[in-house]
Amino acid sequence: NAGVTQTPKFQVLKTGQSMTLQCAQDMNHEYMSWYRQDPGMGLRLIHYSVGAGITDQGEVPNGYNVSRSTTEDFPLRLLSAAPSQTSVYFCASRRTGGVTEAFFGQGTRLTVV
Amino acid sequence: QQPVQSPQAVILREGEDAVINCSSSKALYSVHWYRQKHGEAPVFLMILLKGGEQKGHEKISASFNEKKQQSSLYLTASQLSYSGTYFCGTGNFGNEKLTFGTGTRLTIIP
Repeated sequence: NAGVTQTPKFQVLKTGQSMTLQCAQDMNHEYMSWYRQDPGMGLRLIHYSVGAGITDQGEVPNGYNVSRSTTEDFPLRLLSAAPSQTSVYFCASRRTGGVTEAFFGQGTRLTVV
Repeated sequence: QQPVQSPQAVILREGEDAVINCSSSKALYSVHWYRQKHGEAPVFLMILLKGGEQKGHEKISASFNEKKQQSSLYLTASQLSYSGTYFCGTGNFGNEKLTFGTGTRLTIIP
């Protein structure tokens, strides 16, 4: 099993550009989430999903869109990149059935110039 | 809203003990603890459930005070491998949403 796979690992964008961060998991987990990690601010929840076709906002959703067309994939779209979106992005997945641990991808380091 | 962790950072000598605290302004139904090494993804340590059940697989202990909406992680006789940033995560009632704290950076020196 590959677990949770994020692509790309590194990305540099110009202000105003759009892009999609990819996240895929092969564990058949229903729950998937996107977090951003910034110095001193920990991991902040952007969006999450409880299954295909169902998404909801986290604490910092502005500037980001998500969709969940399959159980395996949960892409994060930046509509018009801003320097404030420079961060490390982590995707995580969990199975349903009680309180379960999160499995994280290796992260995407995004720089917006 | 993110749970708040304290301290923000701590430096210990190998063999010393550490306590990391996690406080929430909302009711807690579950508390997760994760450790992140520099440049890597967070890795699961343990889960504490409302009612006292604890699930984990490392020799690290934790407590969960529902009334105070707090959890504490206890690292005893710390080893060099314990270095990293520790995050607590709090689950909502339905458990579909996991919100992480601000992190505590732990440095163990020989």
